[in-house]
Amino acid sequence: QKEVEQDPGPLSVPEGAIVSLNCTYSNSAFQYFMWYRQYSRKGPELLMYTYSSGNKEDGRFTAQVDKSSKYISLFIRDSQPSDSATYLCAMRNSGYSTLTFGKGTMLLVSP
Amino acid sequence: DGGITQSPKYLFRKEGQNVTLSCEQNLNHDAMYWYRQDPGQGLRLIYYSQIVNDFQKGDIAEGYSVSREKKESFPLTVTSAQKNPTAFYLCASSSGQGERLSGLAGVTDTQYFGPGTRLTVL
Repeated sequence: QKEVEQDPGPLSVPEGAIVSLNCTYSNSAFQYFMWYRQYSRKGPELLMYTYSSGNKEDGRFTAQVDKSSKYISLFIRDSQPSDSATYLCAMRNSGYSTLTFGKGTMLLVSP
Repeated sequence: DGGITQSPKYLFRKEGQNVTLSCEQNLNHDAMYWYRQDPGQGLRLIYYSQIVNDFQKGDIAEGYSVSREKKESFPLTVTSAQKNPTAFYLCASSSGQGERLSGLAGVTDTQYFGPGTRLTVL
């Protein structure tokens, strides 16, 4: 079993839809959870990070962490064509440790 | 204008040649990282450095080498020993602070990425 599992998609939705992106993980020591957005042929940019369990909201984006289920989600409300990108989840332990990435989910939002 | 620069954007290499990818940051970050990204594979860590003159192997270090002589620079050499070097290479940096040095749980050490270098072996 891989440490972090993420459906590669593509996930196609119409403009204005609510999008749900998810990752599951196996390492119960993970404490920090991030979502990166990557446009084609560009470097990833950090969207949100969450420490431990709970929800975090930033504009149209909401990140959720359920450590009991080892499951994290990113919700995008009122999706826009400019949201079309690959979304990567990443996570790490406490202390200094490197990030473990999911493979990324490609999202396509059509006008 | 702070950020991370990588050069070149596109690089072509003949089989058997070594090639060096450049990564420079002016964010005053202590830590720097190199990742490789292949279609359907996500990001895989090649090498990372937490401080000048020190670096550690990541998950896929074979066939690669790095140096960290200056805080701002972390070049990656793809050697002829790397069996399948064609990929998109991403450099990242972070402050190296986070909860480890701040003592505050929840203070993460965000990694910021450069624009990437696409290496193709001909």
